[in-house]
Formats: sequence, structure tokens, C-alpha cells
Amino acid sequence: AQSVTQLGSHVSVSEGALVLLRCNYSSSVPPYLFWYVQYPNQGLQLLLKYTTGATLVKGINGFEAEFKKSETSFHLTKPSAHMSDAAEYFCAVSLTGSNYKLTFGKGTLLTVNP
Amino acid sequence: GAGVSQSPSNKVTEKGKDVELRCDPISGHTALYWYRQRLGQGLEFLIYFQGNSAPDKSGLPSDRFSAERTGESVSTLTIQRTQQEDSAVYLCASSGTGGNTEAFFGQGTRLTVV
Repeated sequence: AQSVTQLGSHVSVSEGALVLLRCNYSSSVPPYLFWYVQYPNQGLQLLLKYTTGATLVKGINGFEAEFKKSETSFHLTKPSAHMSDAAEYFCAVSLTGSNYKLTFGKGTLLTVNP
Repeated sequence: GAGVSQSPSNKVTEKGKDVELRCDPISGHTALYWYRQRLGQGLEFLIYFQGNSAPDKSGLPSDRFSAERTGESVSTLTIQRTQQEDSAVYLCASSGTGGNTEAFFGQGTRLTVV
């Protein structure tokens, strides 16, 4: 079975600073990895995903994430935070095979300070 | 429709009453998920349907909770004898075939038990 751990339920950064949201996973087979974002009072939407190929994945709004198999990590980064990035971010994992249930982390709330 | 549709969008019910929440997934999506999101908290997995396989009910918090899905279409989440701690946003998501496909979320049903 797979699992996801997001370190830090709340991250606060200043506008213009680096954003780093941590995600570690465990799975018995190569995973598929996702980051979702939930803006205030909105539904979840996909930010980016890793399936196969290049381990550095670029998403919307300047975010990117790198799949590091040796570290079982898929951390989300953005070089320069913007006020509009304030939201809750969820990391998720699914597997190959017939039972590919998507498993989510608990989420990290990002606050951006002016 | 083009996206996942949930109804009602808001529901206020008295403690002890039963409620039914409906989810219309994206046409053709074989996987369907229900999650719960309490105020200020992350996603809590409830139940997962995948095609004709037996659903994964491991996240249902008590026997007051049940869900059904008709084939690969509509799903209904039922909460019997509602309690105040059931107050939350209930999110439905659907995804296509394969673990490399992302889940698409509905806007959720905000349930308030008074």
C-alpha cells in the first residue's frame, strides 16, 4: 500500500521568497505523483504530475517538482512567491496496476506575507 | 457535463436526521472517490469505487456512513443519524483508467449539522 507524508501543515513565506513544500511517499512499486492546489473557497485542481520520463516536472503558475527516487520525495518549489499563491497544497500518489487508488497527504497551508 | 457535479452545494440538517449527498462524475471515468474536509483540516479519505470491483470502504468513519455507485455513473453518500462532528465539506472526485490519470474534483457539498 502507498502513503504520503507532507512535512509541515503550515508554511509561511514572504512575497518574493522561495516556496518549498515537502512531500515524501512510500510505495512498493514506482509511483505516479501529483500536486493539487486548493485556493480559498474553491475546489482542488491539478498543479502538476509525474508519471514517467523527466524527473523535473513543471506545472502551472511557475511551480515545479522533482521526483527523487532515492529520497522517495516529490517536493514542490517556486522560486519567488506571489500573494496569489496563498492556498492549500496537497501531494498525492497512485500506483501502476489494477488498483490505482489515489492517496493524498494531509495538505500544507501556504501563507504569503507582504 | 464537463466536470464533476455535486449536489446539493450546501445542506443544513438537524442532528439525528439522515442526509444524502450526490456526485455525478465525468462520463467514462471508472474511478470515484469521496473525501471529507473538516474546517481547517486536510483531506480525509472515505471511500473509493473502481469499476466493478468491490469498493474500498476503509475510510468510512462509522457504520452511519455508506455509499453506493451505480455502474460507472452516479454515486450517493448517505449519512444516517447525523452528528455535529459530521459537519464538513464532502468532496467527490473521479478519474479515468490508469494510475497516471489525475482526479477531477467537484466543488463539494458543505454539510452543517445543527
